[in-house]
Amino acid sequence: DAGVIQSPRHEVTEMGQEVTLRCKPISGHNSLFWYRQTMMRGLELLIYFNNNVPIDDSGMPEDRFSAKMPNASFSTLKIQPSEPRDSAVYFCASSGQTSGNTIYFGEGSWLTVV
Amino acid sequence: DQQVKQNSPSLSVQEGRISILNCDYTNSMFDYFLWYKKYPAEGPTFLISISSIKDKNEDGRFTVFLNKSAKHLSLHIVPSQPGDSAVYFCAASGTSGTYKYIFGTGTRLKVLA
Repeated sequence: DAGVIQSPRHEVTEMGQEVTLRCKPISGHNSLFWYRQTMMRGLELLIYFNNNVPIDDSGMPEDRFSAKMPNASFSTLKIQPSEPRDSAVYFCASSGQTSGNTIYFGEGSWLTVV
Repeated sequence: DQQVKQNSPSLSVQEGRISILNCDYTNSMFDYFLWYKKYPAEGPTFLISISSIKDKNEDGRFTVFLNKSAKHLSLHIVPSQPGDSAVYFCAASGTSGTYKYIFGTGTRLKVLA
């Protein structure tokens, strides 16, 4: 069974450009999470969806960040305009009744903003 | 405000010895805790969990202990192996079923051969 799939794996972009990260959760999972990993803050929860509805976006750092989940099998995290301090690894994760209380992570999208 | 804290950024242990990774939390509403392991260039993978109704959960070489009064949990790895070298994250969730997990900053474990 496929795990959480993220794209792109690596992205290098110039400051001011728009960045879109994509995620396909595990089929049947109804909760989806976007996390950002940095040295200072570890794994930081940005936003959490349940049944495609954003439940908690209190971790989204600024209005430059937005996330959508148009259907149960796809989500995007967009940064516009991007800044060098956005450079980090962004992880998507999903969970559902089939996984109990465990969330499963994708391999991450490595973003570098120069 | 960091609700889940891992105060040791790194730990080195000799192969065959015990590794003890610690985690503290501040929110008394947390009732479910997990440990994840992360290798470089990979996503975190689930290792072991514990519910607040227990104080210990064991899975092979891995045991998690929970001290609710101290708001503290620890992960014991016995015996430690070089393949255990990774970053370990603890995570906490409140009100079982909400599935909102707060992670700590991670502890990098290095097991020396």
